[in-house]
Amino acid sequence: QVQLVESGGGLVKPGGSLRLSCAASAFTFSDYYMSWIRQAPGKGLEWISYISSGSSITNYADSVKGRFTISRDNAKNSLYLQMNSLRVEDTAVYYCARNLDLRDWGQGTLVTVSS
Amino acid sequence: EMVMTQSPATLSVSPGERATLSCRASQSVSSNLAWYQQKPGQAPRLLIYGASTRATGIPARFSGSGSGTEFTLTISSLQSEDFAVYYCQQYNNWPYTFGQGTKLEIK
Repeated sequence: QVQLVESGGGLVKPGGSLRLSCAASAFTFSDYYMSWIRQAPGKGLEWISYISSGSSITNYADSVKGRFTISRDNAKNSLYLQMNSLRVEDTAVYYCARNLDLRDWGQGTLVTVSS
Repeated sequence: EMVMTQSPATLSVSPGERATLSCRASQSVSSNLAWYQQKPGQAPRLLIYGASTRATGIPARFSGSGSGTEFTLTISSLQSEDFAVYYCQQYNNWPYTFGQGTKLEIK
């Protein structure tokens, strides 16, 4: 059974940084695009970034472009999101998901940006 | 950016009845449209992709239709576990965008 487990969330001050990780198992990680999607408390879903299977293609929502960096390590079956210059409005649950059809999701990790 | 508009915001339906949820795109997304279900405290789950193809393990009571700018998710006979929030999402043009959601509640 496909498993995606996010980690690295927590409380950070505005302007700070965090690195999220997503550990994947039970599928051939290197075959799939991967994505990060976030959901602010009580709000809808926002797809913020994706990365191709070989890391050659990445894309970012305007809301995070220049501040967040998506990456992956296929040898470690892991996806990452480096988040810099965090803002209060980045507070959300961050999910990783498999493929561009988002066929499998992790349970999410909460990032809270507050002073 | 493509705007996805879902209606209604809240839909009250009795168990066993049919539910019809709508999604409209601000411009054509062809058939590059997915539907997701989200229950409180859980991650979303893919129901439909390609506007009308059920994802693996999704019951046949869920069906999707439409193309271009108008899409519909139909749940033919509501079960207790179907009461949740439903999101449509386009993946025709980046940024891939979600609708604001329709909350399906028990009448």
